[in-house]
Amino acid sequence: QLQLVESGGDLVKPGGSLRLSCAASGFTFSDYYMSWFRQAPGKGLEWVAYISNSGSYAIYADSVERRFTVSRDNAKNSLYLQMNSLRVEDTALYYCASAGTLNWFDSWGQGTLVTVSS
Amino acid sequence: VVMTQSPATLSVSPGEGAALSCRASQSVGINVAWYQQIRGQPPRLLIYGASTRATGIPARFSGSGSGTEFALTISSLQSEDFAVYYCQQYNDWPPFTFGGGTKVEIK
Repeated sequence: QLQLVESGGDLVKPGGSLRLSCAASGFTFSDYYMSWFRQAPGKGLEWVAYISNSGSYAIYADSVERRFTVSRDNAKNSLYLQMNSLRVEDTALYYCASAGTLNWFDSWGQGTLVTVSS
Repeated sequence: VVMTQSPATLSVSPGEGAALSCRASQSVGINVAWYQQIRGQPPRLLIYGASTRATGIPARFSGSGSGTEFALTISSLQSEDFAVYYCQQYNDWPPFTFGGGTKVEIK
């Protein structure tokens, strides 16, 4: 059974850093493109980052470009999001999700909460 | 591509049908997906390719449309269907964009 489990969310001060992880199981992780999304409290869904199955290609939302870095370790079936220079507006529940053939997103983790506050 | 959903809230009685709308600011072909998000849970893929049900999704959910106009229809609402629904385009990216959501609530 396909499962994605995020971890690493925490309370951090503005300007701080955090690394999120997403552990995958139940499928061949190295075959799948993956993405990170976020959802601010009471708000809608926002795409954050996307990475190819090999990790050689990654793209980002303008709001996080040059501050966040997505990576993966296929040997460990894990996806990561390194978040630097965090801002109050980065406060959200962060989800990892697997991409379907044409980039719908067919499986989602339960999310990990990032709170940026002084 | 801006995705606009309407209405923002839909009040429906159990057993009734519901029609949700999603409009794209430019043509996205049939590259639209729909997700359901029950309170406190992650999104769940319902529909991709504008009209193809994802694995395990009941037949009461159906999607339609192409170009700029899309719809999600729920034929007879069950208690577990009261949730927020989002459309997403994957035709022109980055970024992948979502509509603002339609909340389907009990009337």
